[in-house]
Amino acid sequence: QKEVEQDPGPLSVPEGAIVSLNCTYSNSAFQYFMWYRQYSRKGPELLMYTYSSGNKEDGRFTAQVDKSSKYISLFIRDSQPSDSATYLCAMDYGQNFVFGPGTRLSVLP
Amino acid sequence: NAGVTQTPKFQVLKTGQSMTLQCAQDMNHNSMYWYRQDPGMGLRLIYYSASEGTTDKGEVPNGYNVSRLNKREFSLRLESAAPSQTSVYFCASNWRTDTQYFGPGTRLTVL
Repeated sequence: QKEVEQDPGPLSVPEGAIVSLNCTYSNSAFQYFMWYRQYSRKGPELLMYTYSSGNKEDGRFTAQVDKSSKYISLFIRDSQPSDSATYLCAMDYGQNFVFGPGTRLSVLP
Repeated sequence: NAGVTQTPKFQVLKTGQSMTLQCAQDMNHNSMYWYRQDPGMGLRLIYYSASEGTTDKGEVPNGYNVSRLNKREFSLRLESAAPSQTSVYFCASNWRTDTQYFGPGTRLTVL
């Protein structure tokens, strides 16, 4: 079993839809949880990070962490064509960053 | 600020050739990282450097060497390239565990 699992997609939604992206993990030592967005042929850029269980909101994005279930989610409200990208979840303890394989999202106008 | 820069952007090698990928950051970060990204595999850590003068192996270090030249620069060397090293290579840096800044990547093909 991989340390971090993520549905690879691809996922296609119409503009304005609510998108849910999910990751599960097996290592309870992970302390920081992050979501990165990666446009085609670009480096990943940090979208959100959180340290504890619960929700964290930033504009149209909400990150949710459930440590008891070892499950994290990213919700995108009112999705836009500019949100079309690959979304990577990442987790960390100390200097050990582990990334999920990414979910490719397409938001259709 | 340029952030994290990488050179070259693209490279084609023949099996057995050597090359060095260069990375530099201008954010005064202590930690720097080298990852490779392959389809369906996500980002996998090759080596990292927690501070100037130190380097440590990551998940997939075989076939690679690194040098932390100074606080700004962290290079990745392939001594004898193999087709299995065909990948996109990303350098990243940070000074806190919660934020990594990535470079634009180097696309390497080994024939």
